[in-house]
Amino acid sequence: KQEVTQIPAALSVPEGENLVLNCSFTDSAIYNLQWFRQDPGKGLTSLLLIQSSQREQTSGRLNASLDKSSGRSTLYIAASQPGDSATYLCAAFTGGFKTIFGAGTRLFVKA
Amino acid sequence: NAGVTQTPKFRVLKTGQSMTLLCAQDMNHEYMYWYRQDPGMGLRLIHYSVGEGTTAKGEVPDGYNVSRLKKQNFLLGLESAAPSQTSVYFCAIQDGGGKNIQYFGAGTRLSVL
Repeated sequence: KQEVTQIPAALSVPEGENLVLNCSFTDSAIYNLQWFRQDPGKGLTSLLLIQSSQREQTSGRLNASLDKSSGRSTLYIAASQPGDSATYLCAAFTGGFKTIFGAGTRLFVKA
Repeated sequence: NAGVTQTPKFRVLKTGQSMTLLCAQDMNHEYMYWYRQDPGMGLRLIHYSVGEGTTAKGEVPDGYNVSRLKKQNFLLGLESAAPSQTSVYFCAIQDGGGKNIQYFGAGTRLSVL
């Protein structure tokens, strides 16, 4: 059974710091891995999607990597800003209409 | 959350009452999902649909029913609400023939007293 884990559950950093959020999954048989952002009281917004054949995707200050052999994905945020404060979730699409979500990492960027 | 609209946004029910949550999309995607999100847990799939007139059970379907009579709408029903169904409910859509990106609605916060 696929399990997705995100550690730490919460993270607080000063503005301007580069940071890495971690996501691990137990079964490497995934079709893609997606990173989402969730603001309090809001829905999920897709940030980046990495297909299983890809190693990384970039969008602005965000870079997501995927290593299927080790069951890990990371989301790198460069030069963090207070506006980046949110909960970040990763999700592994395993096929058969199943997407397994991690519980998320709550990020707080201090001004 | 453009493209996926959930109604209502908030609701308080008493145990045993029934209600229907509506998800409407304007992106013409085939696949639609209902998830629930509880504190400290990832989203869990309740039911899903791969097209108009079709539905299937997800990970936690008990106590819920769904219908997809029109392609753009996916309804989630609670026939007899229980306190354990207090949660935030999210609808998502997905383009089955594309990159499989999921797009989410803003959610419905439900409290069952």
